Amino acid sequence: EDQVTQSPEALRLQEGESSSLNCSYTVSGLRGLFWYRQDPGKGPEFLFTLYSAGEEKEKERLKATLTKKESFLHITAPKPEDSATYLCAVQSTGTYKYIFGTGTRLKVLA
Amino acid sequence: EAQVTQNPRYLITVTGKKLTVTCSQNMNHEYMSWYRQDPGLGLRQIYYSMNVEVTDKGDVPEGYKVSRKEKRNFPLILESPSPNQTSLYFCASSMGPGGSPLHFGNGTRLTVT
Repeated sequence: EDQVTQSPEALRLQEGESSSLNCSYTVSGLRGLFWYRQDPGKGPEFLFTLYSAGEEKEKERLKATLTKKESFLHITAPKPEDSATYLCAVQSTGTYKYIFGTGTRLKVLA
Repeated sequence: EAQVTQNPRYLITVTGKKLTVTCSQNMNHEYMSWYRQDPGLGLRQIYYSMNVEVTDKGDVPEGYKVSRKEKRNFPLILESPSPNQTSLYFCASSMGPGGSPLHFGNGTRLTVT
């Protein structure tokens, strides 16, 4: 069964304190792994797609990496405006469904 | 502006009173989908559609219906809502069924009393 597990559930950082969020996944074959940012009361906002192990994508202070079993979202020198819930999702080759993790709630303190 | 539009944003109803939540996208996307989001359970897929007149069940389809008569619209129908369907609902679309990211609407908060 396809599964996505994110850790930690919640993370508090000081402004400028870099860290990483983890997304572990189990799929029969990977069509794509997706990272989203979600602010309270709003729809998830797309950040990155990764397709194969070794791939990396960057956007401002965020960098996503992918291995055969997990993905990391690295946040470098975060700012308070990076506070949000970060969601990971996968789509496997066996289905057209998207499976989401339960997210990491990130709080960056000024 | 490219977007997925859901209506209404908030809805309070009573058990058993049929309701429809509308979803429309202006990006000519083939794939559309409905999710519910509950605390501790994350986003769970209700139904999805890979094109007009093609729909399939997600992980939690019980108590819901959908239809895809036009490419841009994908309404979610609750024929007899129950309190366990109280949730935050999201519609999403993507360019194609394989490996494309989903683009989400702003959500519909449904309360069934």
